[in-house]
Amino acid sequence: DTGVSQDPRHKITKRGQNVTFRCDPISEHNRLYWYRQTLGQGPEFLTYFQNEAQLEKSRLLSDRFSAERPKGSFSTLEIQRTEQGDSAMYLCASSLDPENSPLHFGNGTRLTVT
Amino acid sequence: DQQVKQNSPSLSVQEGRISILNCDYTNSMFDYFLWYKKYPAEGPTFLISISSIKDKNEDGRFTVFLNKSAKHLSLHIVPSQPGDSAVYFCAASAGAGTALIFGKGTTLSVSS
Repeated sequence: DTGVSQDPRHKITKRGQNVTFRCDPISEHNRLYWYRQTLGQGPEFLTYFQNEAQLEKSRLLSDRFSAERPKGSFSTLEIQRTEQGDSAMYLCASSLDPENSPLHFGNGTRLTVT
Repeated sequence: DQQVKQNSPSLSVQEGRISILNCDYTNSMFDYFLWYKKYPAEGPTFLISISSIKDKNEDGRFTVFLNKSAKHLSLHIVPSQPGDSAVYFCAASAGAGTALIFGKGTTLSVSS
């Protein structure tokens, strides 16, 4: 069991630049989630895929954010024209299809926007 | 508005004693509840869950209690160990495939 893998672990970028993060879920998991966590807060839901279909997006996900999951395997989260408020830990999680399966999280990508 | 609330930011317990972490929720549609543990620089790790048809679930040293009428759940760790020191998050969802909503977390410190 290799777990959920996220790349990169850390990203420092200047305001206005675009960044892209990758998530590789546990291989047999067909559900994939993106969350964001800031200091002192719990993870906040951003978006969710079942296979390649993006089924739900939070109102937190502004137009500058886009997520894809081509072929229902790995997923990417892109942030365009980054702002300092985007600085956070971006967490990816995956789960099996059956109802009430726990989410398994990766170790996250820490984004710092300067 | 916070749908999942962990009102105690921190808890300190001596090794061997019981740790009790509390969580309240407001959404009556929540039917699945989970606890996660998080160490620094790592993602949250699933600990234990309970569905709304039960009022107790036990796994080794960890027991989760659910009181639906009070919209309250708690995690009991007994006996507590120094390795249990971490941030504990309560989370809830309103059905299959819906997003997990997390509380802000409680930092547990277990001293030897």
